[in-house]
Amino acid sequence: EVQVVESGGGLVKPGGSLRLSCAASGFTFSSFTMNWVRQAPGRGLEWVASISSTATYTYYADSVKGRFTISRDNAKNSLYLQMNSLRAEDTAVYYCARVDNWNPHYWGQGTLVTVSS
Amino acid sequence: QSALTQPRSVSGSPGQSVTISCTGTSSDIGYYNYVSWYQQHPGKAPKLVIYDVTKRPSGVPDRFSGSKSGNTASLTISGLQAEDEADYYCCSYAGSYSWVFGGGTKLTVL
Repeated sequence: EVQVVESGGGLVKPGGSLRLSCAASGFTFSSFTMNWVRQAPGRGLEWVASISSTATYTYYADSVKGRFTISRDNAKNSLYLQMNSLRAEDTAVYYCARVDNWNPHYWGQGTLVTVSS
Repeated sequence: QSALTQPRSVSGSPGQSVTISCTGTSSDIGYYNYVSWYQQHPGKAPKLVIYDVTKRPSGVPDRFSGSKSGNTASLTISGLQAEDEADYYCCSYAGSYSWVFGGGTKLTVL
């Protein structure tokens, strides 16, 4: 069974940093592009970042470019999101998703990040 | 990276059909046949119900169907059931490993 499980969320002060992780199982992790998608409280979904299967390509939404870094460790079947210079507007549930043929398919349950003083 | 445009809400009675539209641009929906739709119940993760514009994942009822014309994609749910009440989001690949989502549509089953 395909599973992705996010972790690492929590409460952080504005300007602080946080690293999210996503543990994958049930599939060949190294063969798939992965996404981070977030959802602010009461709001819609927003694509945040993506990384190709071998980490050759990484792309970011304009709203996080220069502050967030997506990475992966295929040996550990893990995806990461390093978030720096956090702002109140980064408060959201962060989901990782496996991309199948350019469609985000399998999603985790998400991890909540709250940026507040 | 502008969001796709969806109606904020739609409604229908049990057994009826509803259609949710999703309008993008010639750079996303109009260019790629990689439109997906997600169902999200309160407090839950999004669930894929349509991918590649028209395809249904295993386990999704055939009451769910998708289509596209030009820069607009649509999700149709026929034979509405109470459990279909949820938020629905469209998504399109936009090239260069980027994606764009719609603002979401709240479906109410009357």
